[in-house]
Amino acid sequence: GQQLNQSPQSMFIQEGEDVSMNCTSSSIFNTWLWYKQDPGEGPVLLIALYKAGELTSNGRLTAQFGITRKDSFLNISASIPSDVGIYFCAGLNQGGSEKLVFGKGTKLTVNP
Amino acid sequence: DADVTQTPRNRITKTGKRIMLECSQTKGHDRMYWYRQDPGLGLRLIYYSFDVKDINKGEISDGYSVSRQAQAKFSLSLESAIPNQTALYFCATSAEWVHEQFFGPGTRLTVL
Repeated sequence: GQQLNQSPQSMFIQEGEDVSMNCTSSSIFNTWLWYKQDPGEGPVLLIALYKAGELTSNGRLTAQFGITRKDSFLNISASIPSDVGIYFCAGLNQGGSEKLVFGKGTKLTVNP
Repeated sequence: DADVTQTPRNRITKTGKRIMLECSQTKGHDRMYWYRQDPGLGLRLIYYSFDVKDINKGEISDGYSVSRQAQAKFSLSLESAIPNQTALYFCATSAEWVHEQFFGPGTRLTVL
């Protein structure tokens, strides 16, 4: 089935550093979503993107819908310990079924 | 109160047993989904339902069945559990034509 390539697979950073992660696809997507999952919990929606080039912020988080519609980026500024978790991208394939495709996640560790 | 609830949160069972995982939502959404999460594999869709009379297989439906008892309830059954069905299971919901999905807290299932 359709795959999303999410990178990096894991990141180890110091508190206060900025973080960047991305998702790419071989086909065009109409929607990009970014989720965060805390240990033992379900994924929580952070940001939703619906238009190519769209840049949306949610506090220290900023996500962009790539202009080619085949990628998306999530940036976290000035990381703090509670940013620890797994970040997932998800997308809706243009012309495909009404089902989200998920990346395999980026595991973020923040050292105090 | 949580919008999407799952019961049980944890379950340990033996090979060959029948297991039912339940999901309820108070968001008023028509669409409901069951996912499985394994380490390093992200979220994989098992079954989904776009309304009470609609049931569709996802990418890994073998060994599972579902029942949509009402708009607010969607249950997942393992007719004869096997060890490789040990995983985290998540229910999610979305509104019609809106692709943002909202997840429950998950059920950790262990099959011995």
